[in-house]
Amino acid sequence: ETGVTQTPRHLVMGMTNKKSLKCEQHLGHNAMYWYKQSAKKPLELMFVYNFKEQTENNSVPSRFSPECPNSSHLFLHLHTLQPEDSALYLCASSPITDRGSGELFFGEGSRLTVL
Amino acid sequence: QKEVEQNSGPLSVPEGAIASLNCTYSDRGSQSFFWYRQYSGKSPELIMFIYSNGDKEDGRFTAQLNKASQYVSLLIRDSQPSDSATYLCAVKGWNTGNQFYFGTGTSLTVIP
Repeated sequence: ETGVTQTPRHLVMGMTNKKSLKCEQHLGHNAMYWYKQSAKKPLELMFVYNFKEQTENNSVPSRFSPECPNSSHLFLHLHTLQPEDSALYLCASSPITDRGSGELFFGEGSRLTVL
Repeated sequence: QKEVEQNSGPLSVPEGAIASLNCTYSDRGSQSFFWYRQYSGKSPELIMFIYSNGDKEDGRFTAQLNKASQYVSLLIRDSQPSDSATYLCAVKGWNTGNQFYFGTGTSLTVIP
């Protein structure tokens, strides 16, 4: 099994749909992240969970709703999205070290297109 | 605003040459520095991390850190066409929780 697995890899949805992105990590890490990657822009941190507790929410619109049922699974629930939300959504995990979070390990990403 | 700056490129080097990728950061409290490689249509993968001033070598890759100048670089020796990708610099500080700050990336093309 790969380290961080994301499903679906590709998703097309209308503005009124409700869908979810799923992430699972098999690395034994305690921190999980959602990042958004748009063309020509730096990776944008959306949410962070440490030991299942949300620690970061970088002013993300409420149409994105994260869920972390345990340290290995992370979801991103999507509803009433806008076309500008079309992007690559990356899940990542990291160990917690004496320097805080260690390096990020990314999943393959979910390419989202909002029509 | 904590910023990480990279030259977006594209940077082109001939096969076998040394590719030099540069990154500057604004937060003097930054402590951990990472280089990721991202192939087109793929997710970023970690190449190297560096915490201390100086050089760190791993195979054909060398990371260089100068905290006084707030500068981190990645050298790729004996560049191969398979090194063609976008290289992302990421920075993290002690007091930034889980926040990693990324640059926009430098696109590298190695010409056979």
